[in-house]
Amino acid sequence: DAGITQSPRYKITETGRQVTLMCHQTWSHSYMFWYRQDLGHGLRLIYYSAAADITDKGEVPDGYVVSRSKTENFPLTLESATRSQTSVYFCASSESGGGAHSTDTQYFGPGTRLTVL
Amino acid sequence: QQPVQSPQAVILREGEDAVINCSSSKALYSVHWYRQKHGEAPVFLMILLKGGEQKGHDKISASFNEKKQQSSLYLTASQLSYSGTYFCGTALIYGQNFVFGPGTRLSVLP
Repeated sequence: DAGITQSPRYKITETGRQVTLMCHQTWSHSYMFWYRQDLGHGLRLIYYSAAADITDKGEVPDGYVVSRSKTENFPLTLESATRSQTSVYFCASSESGGGAHSTDTQYFGPGTRLTVL
Repeated sequence: QQPVQSPQAVILREGEDAVINCSSSKALYSVHWYRQKHGEAPVFLMILLKGGEQKGHDKISASFNEKKQQSSLYLTASQLSYSGTYFCGTALIYGQNFVFGPGTRLSVLP
């Protein structure tokens, strides 16, 4: 199916475990983003990528690792999960970056609800 | 750099109007508006640029006041389908990822 997908949709893990959240888009968008959403904080940017093999930190990168070997995939890894990382994680993609054009519109995946016990 | 949104929440009756504001302490380059329905992903509504015109999308429109460093989202004759949380995202310069505000929860009652 075309679009942007995330897996798993729900995940429960324990403190200290490694967890990888997957994101896949079929539009060949250059930019991809990872956000976390917590009540009262809105959407906070964790990492983003402007192209394959190019990634950069966002507002809250600590405790997360990303990679982008292929344009269509942008996995997010929590190397040692903590309770404070319990959240809903959204992946998004856009044709371009810069914030000034309609092509900078971000399209969001359905989200992954992660619970760290 | 997170923008401030007001009000935090608003409850309307179907057919009533609402205004949601998004403001920044610094000069804005662009403002993006998204709507998120409960349990779903955010969906893009519109983008406004510094010096640009007021935009419209069905009965939802928005303006960008450069002097006040503020954007306002206008919802006219609200429908039940307008319920959700509205987020603004602001960028201070071209090329900067935009930062989302905390959101405004809108509830439209029949």
